[in-house]
Amino acid sequence: QVQLQESGPRLVNPSGTLSLTCGVSGASISSGSYWSWVRQPPGEGLEWIGQISDDGYTDYKTSLNSRVTISVDKSKNEFSLKIISMTAADTAVYYCVRHGGFHFDSWGQGTLVTVSS
Amino acid sequence: QSALTQPPSASGSPGQSVTISCTGTSSDVGNYDYVSWYQQYPGKAPKVIIYDVNKRPSGVPDRFSGSTSGNTASLTVSGLQAEDEADYYCCSYAGRNRYAFGTGTKLTVL
Repeated sequence: QVQLQESGPRLVNPSGTLSLTCGVSGASISSGSYWSWVRQPPGEGLEWIGQISDDGYTDYKTSLNSRVTISVDKSKNEFSLKIISMTAADTAVYYCVRHGGFHFDSWGQGTLVTVSS
Repeated sequence: QSALTQPPSASGSPGQSVTISCTGTSSDVGNYDYVSWYQQYPGKAPKVIIYDVNKRPSGVPDRFSGSTSGNTASLTVSGLQAEDEADYYCCSYAGRNRYAFGTGTKLTVL
């Protein structure tokens, strides 16, 4: 059974950069699946951020496209999220997820990232 | 990829049926048979309960069913149980390798 685990700093300064990593176990990140990041501001709904294929092809939500980078490290069986120019509006629980076709079938437990000085 | 529209809340008594709507556009819900539904308990990660409009992953009770009509998708929970009280989110493929989630519905079992 695949397991995903987010890791990274929980506090980011305004205008700073968020860097999160998702470690994958129980499956190879090179298995042909797509891998995404989804976030959820406190008390609000889910927002798809972007995805990456196992060969590194990326797609991002249009409104975040200029600030987001998703990358994959096959040697470590993990993928990462970077968001620049963070503001309070980026405060959220960030989830890494695996695609099962055109849906998300496995989720990490999520990590709360707060933007504050 | 604008958010799909769901009612903020829904409710029903144990044993009853409740339907949650998810309204999108002809660019997402109305154009692809790739609508999925997620159940989320407080403080927990979402879990897929319906995918590809009406398919259920292994282990999901058949009390949960999905459908679409035009630009609107629907999740029906039959034989409502106390454990069904949770937040529910729809999600649709929106083309060009992008996805849109719904605004979310809090389901209360009376």
